[in-house]
Amino acid sequence: SSELTQDPAVSVALGQTVRITCQGDSLRSYYASWYQQNPGLAPVLVIYGKNNRPSGIPDRFSGSSSGNTASLTITGAQAEDEADYYCNSRDSSGNHVLFGGGTKLTVL
Amino acid sequence: EVQLVESGGVVVQPGGSLRLSCAASGFTFDDHAMHWVRQTPGKGLEWVSLISWDGGSTYYADSVKGRFTISRDNSENSLYLQMNSLRAEDTALYYCARSLHLGIGHSIDYWGQGTLVTVSS
Repeated sequence: SSELTQDPAVSVALGQTVRITCQGDSLRSYYASWYQQNPGLAPVLVIYGKNNRPSGIPDRFSGSSSGNTASLTITGAQAEDEADYYCNSRDSSGNHVLFGGGTKLTVL
Repeated sequence: EVQLVESGGVVVQPGGSLRLSCAASGFTFDDHAMHWVRQTPGKGLEWVSLISWDGGSTYYADSVKGRFTISRDNSENSLYLQMNSLRAEDTALYYCARSLHLGIGHSIDYWGQGTLVTVSS
């Protein structure tokens, strides 16, 4: 398969935990990376590899993977976490890069 | 500070050609593969192309293969995207982006602010 599937929208109450998922056959072979994008701005890498955070990314962001599903978990969501989130990986051939369709996170 | 500055986006007619440029600074350019990623206003991200650290390997999305060519000049710290036979569906904001890897890899740790390409008659 050459697709990564994300739920279009997810909501979470302020301070609660939310999981954003990404499904695709290639995720059995490659870890997903996760990006946060705020309106009008470029994406920002928040998780890569097994569960690595770039410098400056709060530790409330974590990543995990099981089978064909990768997850981004935000533990104790803050108002500033409201944004679009995209997963990406390689396709099963390894020769193409894929992005999921994105998940709009609303913090209530 | 890592900086990626794209240029070259304009309004072009269907069937036309365009060359995008990306000037990189603040890091050792040839320590990283580089990507082009595009985004239609209000829509999601679409990977376009990737070039390895030395330019020896290139990869393309099926939607642009045969029409777009990625290249780099490590002596000038610059990345390019030659776009030919442009179609309306190529209209998007084009991001230059730095890979975490030397060769093929999907993790992108820095992005430019993008340059807008509009294909319209």
